Amino acid sequence: GENVEQHPSTLSVQEGDSAVIKCTYSDSASNYFPWYKQELGKGPQLIIDIRSNVGEKKDQRIAVTLNKTAKHFSLHITETQPEDSAVYFCAAGEGGSQGNLIFGKGTKLSVKP
Amino acid sequence: DAGVIQSPRHEVTEMGQEVTLRCKPISGHDYLFWYRQTMMRGLELLIYFNNNVPIDDSGMPEDRFSAKMPNASFSTLKIQPSEPRDSAVYFCASSRGGADGYTFGSGTRLTVV
Repeated sequence: GENVEQHPSTLSVQEGDSAVIKCTYSDSASNYFPWYKQELGKGPQLIIDIRSNVGEKKDQRIAVTLNKTAKHFSLHITETQPEDSAVYFCAAGEGGSQGNLIFGKGTKLSVKP
Repeated sequence: DAGVIQSPRHEVTEMGQEVTLRCKPISGHDYLFWYRQTMMRGLELLIYFNNNVPIDDSGMPEDRFSAKMPNASFSTLKIQPSEPRDSAVYFCASSRGGADGYTFGSGTRLTVV
């Protein structure tokens, strides 16, 4: 089955700096890679996703990149703000099928003002 | 749409008692997932349903756990008897297409003493 590894487990940056979180996956059948943000006391919320036919996707200050050959994908947050502080999860799965998502262990991001 | 609704938000129970967690998925979502979140193991998939039918329950830890989905708008996760190691946050999520576009509920924080 699928296995998703996520690094680092904690990340602290100064406001305005960039943050990068990296994930690797094991199952070459996975073709859908979403990222979720979880704030304290809430459920994870989808912030961006990428499919295997695309190498990069951007949405304002957030971008994701995917390297299918190496089986790794990354989340990039630019110009970080204190409200970006949260736990971020990557996941992998077979989009559009009966498949489910396998999640990484999460990265706790702290943005210091 | 009110999103995925879980109840209760918090549950404290004594070891050996039966616990029932409830979930109402988003209308029109054919997939429903139950996840358990702990610091040590992250987000673990317990079971998921498609059109009210259980598809994969390989993540259910033991026979003490059971899940049902009697109709498209309601699911339960039951633990009987509960044990302290069951303490965790339990999330329900729903989606239209398998792995695509999960929406999570706010979770139920279960504490077994």
